[in-house]
Amino acid sequence: AQTVTQSQPEMSVQEAETVTLSCTYDTSESDYYLFWYKQPPSRQMILVIRQEAYKQQNATENRFSVNFQKAAKSFSLKISDSQLGDAAMYFCAYRSITSYDKVIFGPGTSLSVIP
Amino acid sequence: DVKVTQSSRYLVKRTGEKVFLECVQDMDHENMFWYRQDPGLGLRLIYFSYDVKMKEKGDIPEGYSVSREKKERFSLILESASTNQTSMYLCASRVGTNNSPLHFGNGTRLTVT
Repeated sequence: AQTVTQSQPEMSVQEAETVTLSCTYDTSESDYYLFWYKQPPSRQMILVIRQEAYKQQNATENRFSVNFQKAAKSFSLKISDSQLGDAAMYFCAYRSITSYDKVIFGPGTSLSVIP
Repeated sequence: DVKVTQSSRYLVKRTGEKVFLECVQDMDHENMFWYRQDPGLGLRLIYFSYDVKMKEKGDIPEGYSVSREKKERFSLILESASTNQTSMYLCASRVGTNNSPLHFGNGTRLTVT
């Protein structure tokens, strides 16, 4: 069974600085999807960024980018120029293409942004 | 924008009560999900549905049931609430294509006393 690990329960970053959140996963599959979701204090979870495993190029969305290392089964999220609004819980998620619609979430990393 | 609406943000129920959590989405999504969120455990899938009247068990279905009579509505039912079901419940929906993301509701904080 697939598992997702986020080894940093809490992180903090100074405003305008860069922070990297770690995520590793375990799978025997060769093709799958990876996601980072953000849950601010308002509670609504939103998608930050997604990556298809067959794509070698790392996904980027404005200030958010990933470092996808398929062989190492690592999928870290980099937030550049951190803003106060980036403070939230961040969840890494794995989705198999064979297991119908099952998305596996990591335990989450709580990110604080220091003004 | 996709809107996923959960009927209550906070609920307090007594042990043994039957509890209904309602979720409605407005984007004609095929797939709908119920997750439970607990600190340190992330989100765990309770049930999901890929079509009207269809349902599949997730990782922790015990003590829960679901109903999907209409495409836009997916209900989670706690037949007899217990204190260990005190949690945050998140509903989500998505289009039935491979890389489409989940769209979440605001969550329902359920307390069972």
